[in-house]
Amino acid sequence: AQTVTQSQPEMSVQEAETVTLSCTYDTSENNYYLFWYKQPPSRQMILVIRQEAYKQQNATENRFSVNFQKAAKSFSLKISDSQLGDTAMYFCAFISSPFSSGSARQLTFGSGTQLTVLP
Amino acid sequence: SQTIHQWPATLVQPVGSPLSLECTVEGTSNPNLYWYRQAAGRGLQLLFYSVGIGQISSEVPQNLSASRPQDRQFILSSKKLLLSDSGFYLCAWSAQSLSNQPQHFGDGTRLSIL
Repeated sequence: AQTVTQSQPEMSVQEAETVTLSCTYDTSENNYYLFWYKQPPSRQMILVIRQEAYKQQNATENRFSVNFQKAAKSFSLKISDSQLGDTAMYFCAFISSPFSSGSARQLTFGSGTQLTVLP
Repeated sequence: SQTIHQWPATLVQPVGSPLSLECTVEGTSNPNLYWYRQAAGRGLQLLFYSVGIGQISSEVPQNLSASRPQDRQFILSSKKLLLSDSGFYLCAWSAQSLSNQPQHFGDGTRLSIL
């Protein structure tokens, strides 16, 4: 079974600074996908960024980037130029690659990191 | 574009009462559908998922059930709610394909059991 661990329950960062949220996972699979989701106080779950395990290049989406270390099974999220609107709970999630259609894709979530951006 | 609707947004129910939460997806066909529960300050727990009409898989045994009467409709139900059923319930969908399509979530339902 896959597990996802987020060891930082809470973090804070000053506005405009950079912060890195850590995530490690455990799997015996070779092909899989990793995601970071953001859940602001409104509780809506929003996809931030995704990474395919077979791609060595780290994914980037504007101010959000990841450091994907497949051998170490690490998938950290870096937020540059932090903004007040980045305050949210951030969840790391893992899903294995399906080999046939018709199978549901089951996400395994970490326990989350509450990020607070300070003015 | 695809959208997912989930209602109600907030629900307060007494212990022992029935429950029905509804989720519908628009703009896509034959999606995978999911129900998650999120306890306060915790991560998401997958409750049910469905790959097609009438096909429901349960991940956690409990007094909740799910049904998929139509392709883009997913319903979470209970005949008798327990205090432990309180939480934030999220519906999600994903495309049925071999690509790395992520799950997209509804706005959630906050359920309080009194």
